[in-house]
Amino acid sequence: TQLLEQSPQFLSIQEGENLTVYCNSSSVFSSLQWYRQEPGEGPVLLVTVVTGGEVKKLKRLTFQFGDARKDSSLHITAAQPGDTGLYLCAGALAFSGTYKYIFGTGTRLKVLA
Amino acid sequence: DTGVSQDPRHKITKRGQNVTFRCDPISEHNRLYWYRQTLGQGPEFLTYFQNEAQLEKSRLLSDRFSAERPKGSFSTLEIQRTEQGDSAMYLCASSLVGRDGLVEQFFGPGTRLTVL
Repeated sequence: TQLLEQSPQFLSIQEGENLTVYCNSSSVFSSLQWYRQEPGEGPVLLVTVVTGGEVKKLKRLTFQFGDARKDSSLHITAAQPGDTGLYLCAGALAFSGTYKYIFGTGTRLKVLA
Repeated sequence: DTGVSQDPRHKITKRGQNVTFRCDPISEHNRLYWYRQTLGQGPEFLTYFQNEAQLEKSRLLSDRFSAERPKGSFSTLEIQRTEQGDSAMYLCASSLVGRDGLVEQFFGPGTRLTVL
């Protein structure tokens, strides 16, 4: 069974603080995505990482793909209330000539003003 | 807006009724996925299509669930004889499959089903 575990599960912080969310697996992914989802809406794609060790930045968000492509992290600098939401990682696994797509368990972030 | 669209956004039904949801993917995307999401959880994979072919179905997809993508464009997900446990957000996503397995899924807004 392929699992993609995220930690922490819940996070409540004050505006201006930094935070890091982790996404870990024992499987090797061909690509990994991070999404943010707000209540009642579908997940919105933030970034895709493909290469081991890759780092991508999106304003105050920094995404890193592990060297072995088994894990990833999302770091938010100076969090703002608008960052509140459910953060999901999802990875594509090569499987029998096609790809399986697995979602992480999610990290629910609340940023207090 | 040429993103993924889903209809309806909300559906309330009584137990035992049949419901059908529609998904219109991004037009050039050849893959279409259905997921189910319950409160506080990540999306759970149900099934996916490459063009009109249904390539994989999850064990979560009981025989009361059926999905179609007849012309390789829009898709429908039908749930027969709904049960209260079917209450969830049903998400549709579409993607291209790029080189080296790059798969970026783009999601619709979801259909929230409530079974009374």
